[in-house]
Amino acid sequence: AQSVSQHNHHVILSEAASLELGCNYSYGGTVNLFWYVQYPGQHLQLLLKYFSGDPLVKGIKGFEAEFIKSKFSFNLRKPSVQWSDTAEYFCAVNGFSGGGADGLTFGKGTHLIIQP
Amino acid sequence: ETGVTQSPTHLIKTRGQQVTLRCSSQSGHNTVSWYQQALGQGPQFIFQYYREEENGRGNFPPRFSGLQFPNYSSELNVNALELDDSALYLCASSLAVGAGEQFFGPGTRLTVL
Repeated sequence: AQSVSQHNHHVILSEAASLELGCNYSYGGTVNLFWYVQYPGQHLQLLLKYFSGDPLVKGIKGFEAEFIKSKFSFNLRKPSVQWSDTAEYFCAVNGFSGGGADGLTFGKGTHLIIQP
Repeated sequence: ETGVTQSPTHLIKTRGQQVTLRCSSQSGHNTVSWYQQALGQGPQFIFQYYREEENGRGNFPPRFSGLQFPNYSSELNVNALELDDSALYLCASSLAVGAGEQFFGPGTRLTVL
C-alpha cells in the first residue's frame, strides 16, 4: 500500500519569504508524484507533477519540486511567496500496482497562510 | 473546454438514507475517480471507473457503489448513510486509466444528520 506524509500541517510566512513544504511517500515501485493546491473556495488544481526524467520539476506560479528517490521525498519550494499563495497544499502519489487503479493517495495537507 | 462538474453542491441527509451524487467528466476524458475528503484531511480514493466498469477500489465498504455512463459521466451511490459519511465528495476525470494526471471537480458537500 502507498502512503504520503506531509511534515507541516500549518505554515505561516510573510510575503517574500521562501517556502519549502516537505512530502515523503511510501511505495515499493514506480510512482507518479503530484502537488495539488486548493485556494479558498476553489477546487483542487494541479501545481506540478513528476512522472520521469529531470527530478527537478517546475510548475505554475513559480513553484518547483525536487524528487529525491533515495529519500522517497518530493518537497515543494518557492523562492518568494505572495499573499495570493494562501491555500491548502496536498502532496499525492499514484503507484503502478499492475492490478488495476489504485487512485491517488494524498497527504493530509498543509494549510499555508501568507501574511502581507 | 468544459471542466469537471458535480451536482448537487450541497446535500443534507439523515442516517440510514441513500444518496446519489453526479459528475460530468472533462471533455475527452474516459476515466473517472471518486474521492472522499473529510474535514481537515486529504482526499481518500473510493473507486475508479473506466469504460463503464469499476477499475480499482480503495478501502471503502460495498455500500459505496458507482456507475459510469457511455458519455463518461458518473454517479456515486451511498446506501445506509452513517454520520461518518459526512464529507466533501470529489470527482476527478483523466484522459486514460493508469497513474496519470487527474482533474478535479468542485465537490459535493454531504452532511449526514
